[in-house]
Amino acid sequence: DQQVKQNSPSLSVQEGRISILNCDYTNSMFDYFLWYKKYPAEGPTFLISISSIKDKNEDGRFTVFLNKSAKHLSLHIVPSQPGDSAVYFCAASDQAGTALIFGKGTTLSVSS
Amino acid sequence: DVKVTQSSRYLVKRTGEKVFLECVQDMDHENMFWYRQDPGLGLRLIYFSYDVKMKEKGDIPEGYSVSREKKERFSLILESASTNQTSMYLCASQFRGNQPQHFGDGTRLSIL
Repeated sequence: DQQVKQNSPSLSVQEGRISILNCDYTNSMFDYFLWYKKYPAEGPTFLISISSIKDKNEDGRFTVFLNKSAKHLSLHIVPSQPGDSAVYFCAASDQAGTALIFGKGTTLSVSS
Repeated sequence: DVKVTQSSRYLVKRTGEKVFLECVQDMDHENMFWYRQDPGLGLRLIYFSYDVKMKEKGDIPEGYSVSREKKERFSLILESASTNQTSMYLCASQFRGNQPQHFGDGTRLSIL
């Protein structure tokens, strides 16, 4: 049973607009959440994280929102750029914060 | 910057062979991980290690073993390679719990 779900396999956005990537989780013990970006033939690159004591974390163009009651998090990219085109993975871990459970990924395409 | 180096980018082996995948990190991180990435399945954890000579099974350990004799090096071993182990293998390291994991560029392994 999938504990971390990214229900949209793909998303297309125009350059300059907002990209919103969504992620749902089922395990209430998850305590730490991360987003990674992956280009083809490269390893995932860490983007941004959030712990369960917060509901928002920002880093430049990237903002992650956490809604614990809904077991939902989202990644907002504003403004979107063509270089943001990649696969985005949501991941979660429990309080130990070691092993990560990944979603299956969402492919973002940003057109100019 | 954290550097996680995987010994091979591409590898082709035959069924039944014993295969070694090597990973080295240069940041004195405590924790190291092996994942495999398959289309439509995201990243799945095979094994991880939180200290030298210590290991923990992940979600899909069958057919694999690991070795961590030195803190900076974590090896994944396919005891008798099979075609269903054809995949992209990703190594990651982590300073400690509740910190981001940092990934290598992956090894694309084909078992013929």
